Amino acid sequence: EAGVAQSPRYKIIEKRQSVAFWCNPISGHATLYWYQQILGQGPKLLIQFQNNGVVDDSQLPKDRFSAERLKGVDSTLKIQPAKLEDSAVYLCASSWAGGQHYGYTFGSGTRLTVV
Amino acid sequence: GQQLNQSPQSMFIQEGEDVSMNCTSSSIFNTWLWYKQDPGEGPVLLIALYKAGELTSNGRLTAQFGITRKDSFLNISASIPSDVGIYFCAGHGGNQFYFGTGTSLTVIP
Repeated sequence: EAGVAQSPRYKIIEKRQSVAFWCNPISGHATLYWYQQILGQGPKLLIQFQNNGVVDDSQLPKDRFSAERLKGVDSTLKIQPAKLEDSAVYLCASSWAGGQHYGYTFGSGTRLTVV
Repeated sequence: GQQLNQSPQSMFIQEGEDVSMNCTSSSIFNTWLWYKQDPGEGPVLLIALYKAGELTSNGRLTAQFGITRKDSFLNISASIPSDVGIYFCAGHGGNQFYFGTGTSLTVIP
């Protein structure tokens, strides 16, 4: 099966600019996750979708980050305006409903550098 | 969020040696996962554990779900150069997996 697709792979922007990331999960996976991975750390959950509804966005900095999953398939994550500390790899993952039992499949990530 | 501590933070070993790493948490988890991440890639699932005391193998990898449900262990036998990467544990609590801080493994040929 095709994996989780993410684009772009790399992005360099200046602080205060906007940026958007795209994710296409594995076909049939109801649950989609966005994680932020700062260099040298483990991934940290930003937002979790079940189909097109938000399950958990408690760790999403909502003053600058937004995400949507229209039609319960693809998802976009946006940062506006970006700060230097947003430099990280943004990982998208998907799972069957009940991902606890199957684990998550991750995409290759988007490496964001804010200068 | 939950804190999962992995040790050691990094390891440098000779090819052919065995490797042991562990992950501890202050919280109880019902599921433990182990992932490997290569540079520039997303984490890839290695092993999943669902029951306290469970011992599960995947080739040269063996992982255990700690009896206290607050820890997990990963062993790699007879390491090879392609084992190089960062290994993450993840514990499931609430409705999400929390990831550890990672163990970086370097295998010297």
